[in-house]
Formats: sequence, C-alpha cells, structure tokens
Amino acid sequence: DIQMTQSPSTLSASVGDRVTITCRASQSVSSWLAWYQQKPGKAPKLLIYKASSLQSGVPSRFSGSGSGTEFTLTISSLQPDEFATYYCQQYKSYSLTFGGGTKVEIK
Amino acid sequence: EVQLVESGGGLVQPGGSLRLSCAASGFTFSSYAMSWVRQAPGKGLEWVSAISGSGGSTFYADSVKGRFTISRDNSKNTLYLQMNSLRAEDTAVYYCAKDPYTEPYYFDYWGQGTLVTVSS
Repeated sequence: DIQMTQSPSTLSASVGDRVTITCRASQSVSSWLAWYQQKPGKAPKLLIYKASSLQSGVPSRFSGSGSGTEFTLTISSLQPDEFATYYCQQYKSYSLTFGGGTKVEIK
Repeated sequence: EVQLVESGGGLVQPGGSLRLSCAASGFTFSSYAMSWVRQAPGKGLEWVSAISGSGGSTFYADSVKGRFTISRDNSKNTLYLQMNSLRAEDTAVYYCAKDPYTEPYYFDYWGQGTLVTVSS
C-alpha cells in the first residue's frame, strides 16, 4: 500500500495567517491526490482533487500544488471557520489511503 | 441535492456481525462508485472498501479483507457493508462516500456517519 505522511500533525495559527500543510507519498502518485477538511463531529468535505483542482464551491484561498511524492495545501488567509483537521488522500492505486491528518488550531 | 444516509450501526460483541446500509438520493446511483470510510474515536480517516458503479468490481483494505463484504442494490439506490468477525479495533464511525466516477478515486459527497461499537 502507498503510505501518506502529513506534516505537521498540529499547526497553531491566527486568523489571517497563510497556512501550508505538506503531504508526502511513499511512492509516486502522480497528481492523483485529494484534500479534505473535517470539523469535529462532522463528515469530511472535499477541497481539492487531482492535486490542484478546486472543488466547486470551495473558496479560492484554498490551493493545492505538487506532483509525484510531495504535495502542499495552502490557505492564503485563514478564516475563523477554517480551524479544522485536514487530510490528504491518494488515489493512484485502488487501495486508497489517507494521511494522518493536520489539525489547525487557534494560536 | 445529493444525500447519503447511513444506518445499521450499534453495539455488537467481538466476533459478531452487523450490516450497514447507506440510502442514496439526488443523483444517478448506478453511475458512481461508492466507498465506506471509517474513523476510530479520536483517530484519522481509514478507507475500508469500495465498489464500482455497476457493482462488478469490489476493493478492500487489508484490515477488513475476508471479514467485510461490500455490495449495492442499484434498484434501491442503497449501499451495504456486511461486517463479520468483528473486532474491538473495528470500533469507529462508518461513513458512506460517493465518488465522482464509476471507479473508486476520491469522495465528493459523504454521509453523516453511523457509529459501530465492538465491545463485550
């Protein structure tokens, strides 16, 4: 199985900050990578697919980049509603795998 | 509007069985792959199983292979997960998730989840 590793596991930030989360794959997944946001007690929400394509309805302050084994999710200006946990997920192989998550906390 | 509503969760003893259901509406169910994704209390997301739109192809995580069976009834717009030989480590919220394609890739819609607790 392809292993996905996110860093950091926890990130402290303030409203308005630029936030960057990294996701690394144990082998190349090309651009077959998605990002999700999850708030406590809620289902995950799709933000980005194919590494850099913004899902419909998601604010443009979210962006994704990367290919191969290294990817980033960037929030250009963190909003109060965006303190949450973020996950990456590869779909290069049919054994789909998620990263361990990055919790974005209020500083 | 896409809606996914899971049911069937509950408390079950180790070694027991449970069948989860996911009722889908708001889209052409048979055109899309579907998956089950779980989340143990306080932990991250774990993909469990997927099924193609036609139901002809199924996929499983190693952790559940041989114990869980995914299926779908396209005439009823319903996804199922039959879980046998349950273990304590299967305790989790189980989410039903829709793929934007006929084969499993990523998930554009999720249900609200159903809690499965395996305990004596």
